[in-house]
Amino acid sequence: EIVLTQSPATLSLSPGERATLSCRASQSVSSYLAWYQQKPGQAPRLLIYDASNRATGIPARFSGSGSGTDFTLTISSLEPEDFAVYYCQQRSNWLFTFGPGTKVDIK
Amino acid sequence: QVQLVQSGAEVKKPGASVKVSCKASGYTFTSYGISWVRQAPGQGLEWMGWISAYNGNTNYAQKLQGRVTMTTDTSTSTAYMELRSLRSDDTAVYYCARDSSIAAAGDLAYWGQGTLVTVSS
Repeated sequence: EIVLTQSPATLSLSPGERATLSCRASQSVSSYLAWYQQKPGQAPRLLIYDASNRATGIPARFSGSGSGTDFTLTISSLEPEDFAVYYCQQRSNWLFTFGPGTKVDIK
Repeated sequence: QVQLVQSGAEVKKPGASVKVSCKASGYTFTSYGISWVRQAPGQGLEWMGWISAYNGNTNYAQKLQGRVTMTTDTSTSTAYMELRSLRSDDTAVYYCARDSSIAAAGDLAYWGQGTLVTVSS
């Protein structure tokens, strides 16, 4: 099973600041890495797929990069609605896994 | 528009089974796979497994092998997830989610509203 680790566990930032979230895989997942946003009481929302492609309707301030084992989600300028938990997820084999999540909260 | 509507909350005793449904609409059901994902209270997301709505092929998370069965009914565009031998740590919100595209099994673009399953004696 491919294990995903995310860092940091919590990121405390102010609106307008840049957020950089990391996801590392225990073995290569090529570019088969997605990012999701989840707010309390809601289902997750797909933000980024295949490491760097924004899903439909996702604002341009969200961007993804990386390949192999190291990936990054960047939010260029935090909006109030961006404070949430972010999960990475791999689909490189037929046993998909999620990372433990990074909480982005208001400083 | 794509919609996934799940069945209502369940309360089960330890050792029992639960079957959660996920009714799809707004697209051709057999063209996309569906994953099931659960989230224990205050915890992260756990992928449980995936089923092809085209041919019924399944892949299950190793830790749930032998306890979980995923099926589909193409006549009603409904996916099902059955979990057996329930334990207290199976208490969670269970989500169904649809693949984003035919070629991208595992990219979960559409989600159901979630079904709370509580396991308690």
